[in-house]
Amino acid sequence: AQSVAQPEDQVNVAEGNPLTVKCTYSVSGNPYLFWYVQYPNRGLQFLLKYITGDNLVKGSYGFEAEFNKSQTSFHLKKPSALVSDSALYFCAVIYYGNNRLAFGKGNQVVVIP
Amino acid sequence: EAGVTQFPSHSVIEKGQTVTLRCDPISGHDNLYWYRRVMGKEIKFLLHFVKESKQDESGMPNNRFLAERTGGTYSTLKVQPAELEDSGVYFCASSQYGGNTEAFFGQGTRLTVV
Repeated sequence: AQSVAQPEDQVNVAEGNPLTVKCTYSVSGNPYLFWYVQYPNRGLQFLLKYITGDNLVKGSYGFEAEFNKSQTSFHLKKPSALVSDSALYFCAVIYYGNNRLAFGKGNQVVVIP
Repeated sequence: EAGVTQFPSHSVIEKGQTVTLRCDPISGHDNLYWYRRVMGKEIKFLLHFVKESKQDESGMPNNRFLAERTGGTYSTLKVQPAELEDSGVYFCASSQYGGNTEAFFGQGTRLTVV
C-alpha cells in the first residue's frame, strides 16, 4: 500500500533556527518523493523532489530534503527559518508505474519572530 | 505564463443541489488531476485525465461525481446531488508529462455543503 506519514501536526520554530519537517513513506517499489507548500489562500507550490541520484535534494526558498532509503524517510529541512516560511507543508509520493500523488496529512509550520 | 486556475474559489450550496467546479490547466499540459482535501485530512486523489481521456478514476468516491475534459483543455467536476460529506477543498493540478514530473496546482475550490 502506498502511504505517507507526517507524524507531527504542527511544528513551531523560532526565526533563525533550523527547521525540520518529517516525512516517512511505506515501502513499495521505488518511490518518487515530493514536498509541496501551501501558503494561506494559495494553491500548493512545488518545493523539491527526489527521483534518483544524490540523496540530498535542494529546492526552492532555501529548502532541502534528504532521501534515506534505510529509514524510508524524506525529511524537509531549512538551516535558518524565516517568518515567511509559516505555511502548510505536504510530503507526497508517486510509486513507479503510477501517476498519482499520495499525500501525507500535512504539517503546519509556525515560525515565531 | 498563466498557472492553473480554478473557479469558483468558494461555493456554498445546500444538500441535494448540484455544483460544477472548473479547472483550466496550464496550456500544453496533457495531464490533469483532481484531488480533494476534507478538513484536516490528507489530500486524496480523485482522477487523472490524459488529454480528454480518463486515465485513472479510481479515486472518485461514488457516482454522484462526474468529471469531464472535453477537447482536452479545461475540465469540470460536477457533484450531483451534493451531500454534507462532500465538503472540502477541491484541487486541480496539471503536468506536461505525468509520471514523476512535478504537478502545478490551482488555488483550490472550497466547497461547503450545508
